[in-house]
Amino acid sequence: NAGVTQTPKFRILKIGQSMTLQCTQDMNHNYMYWYRQDPGMGLKLIYYSVGAGITDKGEVPNGYNVSRSTTEDFPLRLELAAPSQTSVYFCASNSDRGPNQPQHFGDGTRLSIL
Amino acid sequence: AQTVTQSQPEMSVQEAETVTLSCTYDTSESNYYLFWYKQPPSRQMILVIRQEAYKQQNATENRFSVNFQKAAKSFSLKISDSQLGDTAMYFCAFNQGGSEKLVFGKGTKLTVNP
Repeated sequence: NAGVTQTPKFRILKIGQSMTLQCTQDMNHNYMYWYRQDPGMGLKLIYYSVGAGITDKGEVPNGYNVSRSTTEDFPLRLELAAPSQTSVYFCASNSDRGPNQPQHFGDGTRLSIL
Repeated sequence: AQTVTQSQPEMSVQEAETVTLSCTYDTSESNYYLFWYKQPPSRQMILVIRQEAYKQQNATENRFSVNFQKAAKSFSLKISDSQLGDTAMYFCAFNQGGSEKLVFGKGTKLTVNP
């Protein structure tokens, strides 16, 4: 049972480049989330989705975009990478009952912008 | 906006002893959920324990228990019989009932010494 899978695990980007962080889950969860974790800090919500075709902004959405064309996949796109986006990114999902239920996390993507 | 405060950036404990991690939160609502998540060096976030605000009984999961003081807005985690595998960052998290967002504290780094 794979759970939540994130790719890539590590990536180095140059300022101004773009990339997509992939996230897929095999638990048929409707709720999916993207967080970033800066050094010494807790996770901050970037975007979330309550089902295919439905996305909404979290606490720190600037500089990011998301889409949700299927239940399984929730990619996060950085259009113009900036040093402030250097962080560890986590994707998570949970059941139809929303974030008051335990979230299942991926292993994270460590992204450095140089 | 809801906030979560973990006042202990780092703690250490001897193997087999008991340790308590502190968490306080701020909300004016009565319907909410509280969580403790563990993040070992492998980076994956794992749910430790969950508490529903309307339940007076403190949640317990094996060696992990909470002291939920609703009036004081306090949600501490007690780890009994500490094991080396308990070494990790521990994050307290808050979800307002009906909200899609999970708010995290900055974390407490726990080291269990042999």
